[in-house]
Amino acid sequence: DAMVIQNPRYQVTQFGKPVTLSCSQTLNHNVMYWYQQKSSQAPKLLFHYYDKDFNNEADTPDNFQSRRPNTSFCFLDIRSPGLGDAAMYLCATAGDDGELFFGEGSRLTVL
Amino acid sequence: AQSVTQLGSHVSVSEGALVLLRCNYSSSVPPYLFWYVQYPNQGLQLLLKYTSAATLVKGINGFEAEFKKSETSFHLTKPSAHMSDAAEYFCAVMDSSYKLIFGSGTRLLVRP
Repeated sequence: DAMVIQNPRYQVTQFGKPVTLSCSQTLNHNVMYWYQQKSSQAPKLLFHYYDKDFNNEADTPDNFQSRRPNTSFCFLDIRSPGLGDAAMYLCATAGDDGELFFGEGSRLTVL
Repeated sequence: AQSVTQLGSHVSVSEGALVLLRCNYSSSVPPYLFWYVQYPNQGLQLLLKYTSAATLVKGINGFEAEFKKSETSFHLTKPSAHMSDAAEYFCAVMDSSYKLIFGSGTRLLVRP
């Protein structure tokens, strides 16, 4: 059974039109992560949460925001998507040894 | 600061041949190391992890990796490649803030 579920799997939006990606986890872990992965590159950490304690990476653009209303759910908001934001967005939670369990990802296309 | 280096952005093997994907790490503390596999348009799947127990770690799909402190390496191997092993493989190390630092990835191609 999937431990991390992301919706939608594919999202097409227009330049500048806000987008929200969602993630839920069944492990009830207090840590959740959002990664951005562009074609043929490694995942790049955007945000992570310890409980509701929010941490964004220093180079995460202001265009990206995140919300975590409860332990199970986390959202990634892209306020004004540009062409450079087209990517796969990966949500993850952690296991007992720090390993990450990833969702299937949400692929964002910006027209 | 912790980091990982994956040697070879592409590795090509024949079906049935040995698979060897290289990963070297840099860490000031005993590292936690991981290998992930990613198939096209999917998320990352954990193959195996090293957490300072046995140095030879067995994972899923017949893969294993050996932690060698003297060489600061954690190479991934599989005795016999299968067509279904064709994918992108990422080595990762946990940093002191409990975040994963990924290598640049190695794309494995399996020739019939």
